Amino acid sequence: AQSVTQLGSHVSVSEGALVLLRCNYSSSVPPYLFWYVQYPNQGLQLLLKYTTGATLVKGINGFEAEFKKSETSFHLTKPSAHMSDAAEYFCAVSESDSWGKLQFGAGTQVVVTP
Amino acid sequence: EAQVTQNPRYLITVTGKKLTVTCSQNMNHEYMSWYRQDPGLGLRQIYYSMNVEVTDKGDVPEGYKVSRKEKRNFPLILESPSPNQTSLYFCASSLAVGGNQPQHFGDGTRLSIL
Repeated sequence: AQSVTQLGSHVSVSEGALVLLRCNYSSSVPPYLFWYVQYPNQGLQLLLKYTTGATLVKGINGFEAEFKKSETSFHLTKPSAHMSDAAEYFCAVSESDSWGKLQFGAGTQVVVTP
Repeated sequence: EAQVTQNPRYLITVTGKKLTVTCSQNMNHEYMSWYRQDPGLGLRQIYYSMNVEVTDKGDVPEGYKVSRKEKRNFPLILESPSPNQTSLYFCASSLAVGGNQPQHFGDGTRLSIL
């Protein structure tokens, strides 16, 4: 069974600093990979996804992620944090031959300090 | 506006009193799913549906029922709620069945079972 590991349940970054959220997965076949963001009292919103093609994927709000098959990783980055980036971030994986089941990581809470 | 709507948003109830959480999407999506979110565990799938009258169990189906009589609606039923079902619940939908399909989430329903 596939699993998703997000390193660090809480991350604190200064406004303007790099945001780096780590995600590693275990899968026997190349998966589809997603990052979702959850703002307080809201549902999850898609940030970006990797399905096929270019391994560097750009998403909304200045975020991007790179699929590294050799490292089974899909880390999320943003060059300069903004106060509005404070939220919980979830990495999710779906098997390429699946009907759509998402396996989520435990989530990383991002705090942005002035 | 394209959306997934859940009701109620908040509910406090007692053990054994049957309850239903409704979910409706206005995007003509084929695939719908229910998740529960618990701290440190991320989101776990309860049930999913690939089309009308087609439903199946996810990872944590015990104590829950679902039905899909119409394409737009996918209610979650707790016939005899217990305190371990206290959680934050999300309904999600995607246009088609498939691992590469991003899912659209409702705003969540926070259930407290006393």
